[in-house]
Amino acid sequence: DQQVKQNSPSLSVQEGRISILNCDYTNSMFDYFLWYKKYPAEGPTFLISISSIKDKNEDGRFTVFLNKSAKHLSLHIVPSQPGDSAVYFCAARGGADGLTFGKGTHLIIQP
Amino acid sequence: DGGITQSPKYLFRKEGQNVTLSCEQNLNHDAMYWYRQDPGQGLRLIYYSQIVNDFQKGDIAEGYSVSREKKESFPLTVTSAQKNPTAFYLCASMARGFDQPQHFGDGTRLSIL
Repeated sequence: DQQVKQNSPSLSVQEGRISILNCDYTNSMFDYFLWYKKYPAEGPTFLISISSIKDKNEDGRFTVFLNKSAKHLSLHIVPSQPGDSAVYFCAARGGADGLTFGKGTHLIIQP
Repeated sequence: DGGITQSPKYLFRKEGQNVTLSCEQNLNHDAMYWYRQDPGQGLRLIYYSQIVNDFQKGDIAEGYSVSREKKESFPLTVTSAQKNPTAFYLCASMARGFDQPQHFGDGTRLSIL
């Protein structure tokens, strides 16, 4: 069973507009959430994270929102740029072990 | 400059052979991790180590083995018991502390011929 779900395999957004990537989770023990960006044949690059005690964290063009009651988080990218085209992974941690990842969303920024 | 180095980038082995993937970090991180990625899938945890000379199984440890003799090194051996070893393998490390992100190497693509 998938504990972290990214239900949109792909998302196409026009350059300059807002990109919103969504992630749902089922495990109530998760207390730290992260977003990674990944290009083919490369390792994931850490983008932004949020602790379960917060509902929003912002870093430049990237903002992550957490809704604990809905077990839902989202990543907003404003404005979207061509270099943002990549696969984005949502990940969650609930203890001392590793991260649980979603299957990723392929973001395509169109000119 | 600091980072995580995985070598080689591409690795080919014959079926039935064991193969060891290298992961070295100079970030002075305590914890290290191995993940596997298959096409269209997320990353799945194979093994992790919080401290030297100690490691724990992840979700898909069968057919794999690790060692952690030095803080900076966490090699992964893919044994002949691993039924479907062809995949992209990623190593990560993490600093000690509350709410620290994991940082990843660039991966090794293993293909079994």
